[in-house]
Amino acid sequence: AQSVTQLGSHVSVSEGALVLLRCNYSSSVPPYLFWYVQYPNQGLQLLLKYTSAATLVKGINGFEAEFKKSETSFHLTKPSAHMSDAAEYFCAVTRGYNKLIFGAGTRLAVHP
Amino acid sequence: DAGVTQSPTHLIKTRGQQVTLRCSPKSGHDTVSWYQQALGQGPQFIFQYYEEEERQRGNFPDRFSGHQYPNYSSELNVNALLLGDSALYLCASSRNRLNEKLFFGSGTQLSVL
Repeated sequence: AQSVTQLGSHVSVSEGALVLLRCNYSSSVPPYLFWYVQYPNQGLQLLLKYTSAATLVKGINGFEAEFKKSETSFHLTKPSAHMSDAAEYFCAVTRGYNKLIFGAGTRLAVHP
Repeated sequence: DAGVTQSPTHLIKTRGQQVTLRCSPKSGHDTVSWYQQALGQGPQFIFQYYEEEERQRGNFPDRFSGHQYPNYSSELNVNALLLGDSALYLCASSRNRLNEKLFFGSGTQLSVL
């Protein structure tokens, strides 16, 4: 069985500060892991994904995530937050034909 | 290249009614998956269609049913609507049933009164 836990339903940072959104997973098989972003009244957009190649994955808009098997984590980071980063972020896990399983989401607020 | 398109964007129904939501996948995609996203929650998998058959199903009652047409477009039907069915319904498309590269539509916001 696979599952995802996102720590912190709300995260608030100042513009220019480090963004860190936490995700831990549980999987009985080597997982594929994803971060999606959702802006208000929109669907989901893929930020980045890990599919068993490099453990440090770079995505769009300056985001990156590191797969740490020993910690079963896949935290999302961005060195410097921008106002336009304010959105809901979802971590997800799957493998092969398995359904994509999402975490509950973390709402990121960026203040001046 | 059009991405995943869903219609309608918003819908208001009353309890007990039936609703049909529609989805056209991204060009070149043959697999359609449906997700329900309740307010403040992550998307929950409803089911997946491939080659016009339901291939996987999440933990949703039989009131939720679907269909896929030869052109790969899909419908989600919900019968006997409950207040708890109010949610954003997302359609996602991919190739060959693989969920490693899902493209999502903007969703249909369903409100049940």
